[in-house]
Amino acid sequence: DSGVTQTPKHLITATGQRVTLRCSPRSGDLSVYWYQQSLDQGLQFLIQYYNGEERAKGNILERFSAQQFPDLHSELNLSSLELGDSALYFCASSAHGSYIQYFGAGTRLSVL
Amino acid sequence: ILNVEQSPQSLHVQEGDSTNFTCSFPSSNFYALHWYRWETAKSPEALFVMTLNGDEKKKGRISATLNTKEGYSYLYIKGSQPEDSATYLCAPEDGTASKLTFGTGTRLQVTL
Repeated sequence: DSGVTQTPKHLITATGQRVTLRCSPRSGDLSVYWYQQSLDQGLQFLIQYYNGEERAKGNILERFSAQQFPDLHSELNLSSLELGDSALYFCASSAHGSYIQYFGAGTRLSVL
Repeated sequence: ILNVEQSPQSLHVQEGDSTNFTCSFPSSNFYALHWYRWETAKSPEALFVMTLNGDEKKKGRISATLNTKEGYSYLYIKGSQPEDSATYLCAPEDGTASKLTFGTGTRLQVTL
């Protein structure tokens, strides 16, 4: 158990809908990262937050947004969902000054 | 966007065999190189983080080396065991942001 909690584990929704994925980092970790893993693709970095502020941005679509709250949990919002958004979404966290990222178990999103 | 290549794509060895994989990455703007182990139905787990040219890290039967000048890292597994079966991912971290760019991984299967 990495200490990073992601909910829900599975999500099935329809095209055009909006969903929110939630991540609770390890206790004390200030950084939260979001990754997407689609079929036949490696883990793609989406976005990083550090202590509530956006720190780095990757290949995140405009339909997607994220935030980190004062209690350090983070949410990834995916809107106007398309079939191609079906993927495994991982959250990871790291401590201040540490290189190591600890991954949650992921949320599997299926868009039908 | 960093171009990260891992080879081989997959590998099937017998218990007791030693094996190694390669990760190639752009050497410019290098900051750190991460190796992760990802077992099926689990989340990626950090193995090593290396930052200095010539770094060597070891964890039990698994070790890794780093050449930042030519942009490659090797991961070695000595005396492979069935529990080593997993996908091994490398991810360089560039100096401008703390985001990781993951390769597509080497999928290792160890049979008795």
